Amino acid sequence: QKEVEQDPGPLSVPEGAIVSLNCTYSNSAFQYFMWYRQYSRKGPELLMYTYSSGNKEDGRFTAQVDKSSKYISLFIRDSQPSDSATYLCAMRSEGSNYKLTFGKGTLLTVNP
Amino acid sequence: ETGVTQSPTHLIKTRGQQVTLRCSSQSGHNTVSWYQQALGQGPQFIFQYYREEENGRGNFPPRFSGLQFPNYSSELNVNALELDDSALYLCASSPGQTRSYKYGYTFGSGTRLTVV
Repeated sequence: QKEVEQDPGPLSVPEGAIVSLNCTYSNSAFQYFMWYRQYSRKGPELLMYTYSSGNKEDGRFTAQVDKSSKYISLFIRDSQPSDSATYLCAMRSEGSNYKLTFGKGTLLTVNP
Repeated sequence: ETGVTQSPTHLIKTRGQQVTLRCSSQSGHNTVSWYQQALGQGPQFIFQYYREEENGRGNFPPRFSGLQFPNYSSELNVNALELDDSALYLCASSPGQTRSYKYGYTFGSGTRLTVV
């Protein structure tokens, strides 16, 4: 079993839809959870950063962490064509020398 | 404030050759990590440098090696290239081990290496 599982999609939605992206993980030592957005031919760009369980909201983006279920989510409200990209979840444990463990990424297309 | 810059952007090498990839970290960042991203996969951690010392390594063989310089720039060296080394190599910097929890990591656009 991989440490981090993420459905690679692809996911295609109409403009304005609410998008839900998810990852599950197996390592209970993970404490820090991130979502990165990666456009084609670019490096990942940090979207959201959460410590431990709970919700975090930033504009149209909401990140949720449920450590009891080992499940994290990213919600995008009022999705825009400019949100079309690959979304990667990443996580790390305390004292892991700051190694990030990534999911495979989900390819999202928002159609105008 | 400049971001993370990597060079070259693209590279084609022959199996068995050696390659050096370069990274300039974001201003004020003293920690640099390298990741390998194969097509359709998430990035895989290779190693991390903090104050010119390697302080973490992923599951990569010794033919993957690196350096960090006093100005915090970094190099990734790969010897005896194999076809499976074809990937996007990403460099990420962060502002130090006590602050990266808040600020995360800034990634460069990567070097796309093709081994033929």
